[in-house]
Amino acid sequence: NAGVTQTPKFRVLKTGQSMTLLCAQDMNHEYMYWYRQDPGMGLRLIHYSVGEGTTAKGEVPDGYNVSRLKKQNFLLGLESAAPSQTSVYFCASRQSYGYTFGSGTRLTVV
Amino acid sequence: GQNIDQPTEMTATEGAIVQINCTYQTSGFNGLFWYQQHAGEAPTFLSYNVLDGLEEKGRFSSFLSRSKGYSYLLLKELQMKDSASYLCAALTDSWGKLQFGAGTQVVVTP
Repeated sequence: NAGVTQTPKFRVLKTGQSMTLLCAQDMNHEYMYWYRQDPGMGLRLIHYSVGEGTTAKGEVPDGYNVSRLKKQNFLLGLESAAPSQTSVYFCASRQSYGYTFGSGTRLTVV
Repeated sequence: GQNIDQPTEMTATEGAIVQINCTYQTSGFNGLFWYQQHAGEAPTFLSYNVLDGLEEKGRFSSFLSRSKGYSYLLLKELQMKDSASYLCAALTDSWGKLQFGAGTQVVVTP
């Protein structure tokens, strides 16, 4: 099925551990975004990419890194996880005004 | 700064009408989105307004006034499945960055 696929769906990390969240889209979209969603705060933009090989910081980039080596994949990395990074992470891709969101990754840092 | 305000929660009876208001103040503005999000799921697109006025799509309608920084989503003939969070989001620049409100939880009662 066409769309945006996020892996993993759930993960529990210990403080200080690292991990990478993968977002893959098969719609040939140029633009991709990583958001985090916390209770009472709505979705906040972490990083985004306007094309293969490009990335830029969003509203809350600290503690995260990203890479877009291939057009279809947008990776979000946490080098040293902190409890404040406990959240639900959504990836989205865009063409024109149409955004497609992935089903989310629920991350808990203990 | 950037600010998107919407009520936290609204309750309505099955078959009734509910109007969710959203006010926004953003440094740039290229349109206003409404998304529906069921618990544990990804946001799904409901509407996009870039010009002033009302757009109707089945049971859902969305209104925008750019001069007032105001939008509303109107849900008619409420059904139990409409119980969800409704997200207001402003498109703030040409890179496609969205600024989200915290969401309005709509509870539909029998």
